[in-house]
Amino acid sequence: DQQVKQNSPSLSVQEGRISILNCDYTNSMFDYFLWYKKYPAEGPTFLISISSIKDKNEDGRFTVFLNKSAKHLSLHIVPSQPGDSAVYFCAASSTDSWGKLQFGAGTQVVVTP
Amino acid sequence: KAGVTQTPRYLIKTRGQQVTLSCSPISGHRSVSWYQQTPGQGLQFLFEYFSETQRNKGNFPGRFSGRQFSNSRSEMNVSTLELGDSALYLCASKPGLDTDTQYFGPGTRLTVL
Repeated sequence: DQQVKQNSPSLSVQEGRISILNCDYTNSMFDYFLWYKKYPAEGPTFLISISSIKDKNEDGRFTVFLNKSAKHLSLHIVPSQPGDSAVYFCAASSTDSWGKLQFGAGTQVVVTP
Repeated sequence: KAGVTQTPRYLIKTRGQQVTLSCSPISGHRSVSWYQQTPGQGLQFLFEYFSETQRNKGNFPGRFSGRQFSNSRSEMNVSTLELGDSALYLCASKPGLDTDTQYFGPGTRLTVL
């Protein structure tokens, strides 16, 4: 049962423009959400996280928005750079089982010149 | 600070054999989680250890086991390997139980022939 869903397998965006990645979840117990970036043959790299008590968190070019009522979160990357081309994973966990991240299937982002 | 290290990086085994993978967490991190990544199932949680105790376990058969040592280093073992165990095995660490931001190692690529 996939509790974290990334419905867009791929996204192409021009350099300098905004990349918007979306993620939906079904488990209302999730209270901590994270985004990771992954290059082939490497482990995921932590980008940004958000607790369920917030609706927005910003770190440099990365902003995560959380809409609890819709069980939806999004990652905005502004401006997009060629080095941002990677697979992005959304992950979620709940306080009663911290240590166990549940991941979406990932979105492949390609930033074109 | 050095990141999470995993050894070996690549491994080839045959069906029926067993394998042990090793993970050294970031210095000072006491929690270690293991994940399996396959093209079909994505990133799936295996188990988590904190202070040498298994806290969480994913839905994997008993052939998959792990342990953690007093220095927080962790090993996972897979016995009676099957072709479907071919995957990238990722280890992640975090400081303790007050956060779920996990930092991943580069992974061990296991191929079962």
